[in-house]
Amino acid sequence: AQSVTQPDIHITVSEGASLELRCNYSYGATPYLFWYVQSPGQGLQLLLKYFSGDTLVQGIKGFEAEFKRSQSSFNLRKPSVHWSDAAEYFCAVGPSGYALNFGKGTSLLVTP
Amino acid sequence: GAGVSQSPRYKVAKRGQDVALRCDPISGHVSLFWYQQALGQGPEFLTYFQNEAQLDKSGLPSDRFFAERPEGSVSTLKIQRTQQEDSAVYLCASSLEVENYNEQFFGPGTRLTVL
Repeated sequence: AQSVTQPDIHITVSEGASLELRCNYSYGATPYLFWYVQSPGQGLQLLLKYFSGDTLVQGIKGFEAEFKRSQSSFNLRKPSVHWSDAAEYFCAVGPSGYALNFGKGTSLLVTP
Repeated sequence: GAGVSQSPRYKVAKRGQDVALRCDPISGHVSLFWYQQALGQGPEFLTYFQNEAQLDKSGLPSDRFFAERPEGSVSTLKIQRTQQEDSAVYLCASSLEVENYNEQFFGPGTRLTVL
């Protein structure tokens, strides 16, 4: 069975500091991995995705994520956080074109 | 262009009432998904359509939940005899096709509160 674990429920970072959000997955085959962001009252927006190939993927808004098969991880990173990055972040796993299995999310708070 | 739209955005129902939630996918998108997002949780899969065919309804929590997409475009999620545990945000997503990865585009959701 496929599952996603996001160990951190809340994370607080200072504006301008670096960010890393953790995601661990369990999946029987080569996973399709995604990071979504959800702002209050908004739908989910795709930040980036990994299917195969280069294990470091670049996304929108300056985010990147690294797939590490040996650690079953797909952590999201950003070198310098902006106040507008405050939101809920979800990691998801799933086969192509099918339903996604989401983690419980990490809430990011950005302080001045 | 227009994204996925959902209506109503907010719905308050008394326990036992029936509700209908509407999803307008992006025009031309073949696949349509419904997810349920409880407070403080990630979205959980409910059901999936490919055009008008409901190919998977394994995530529907009970037989009180019913979804349809009769013409392969607009979809309606109906909940009969609502219970307090049905309170959640219901998200709809659509994607262009099934084969080869296509991004799922999410609507803003309908927040259902059952009193």
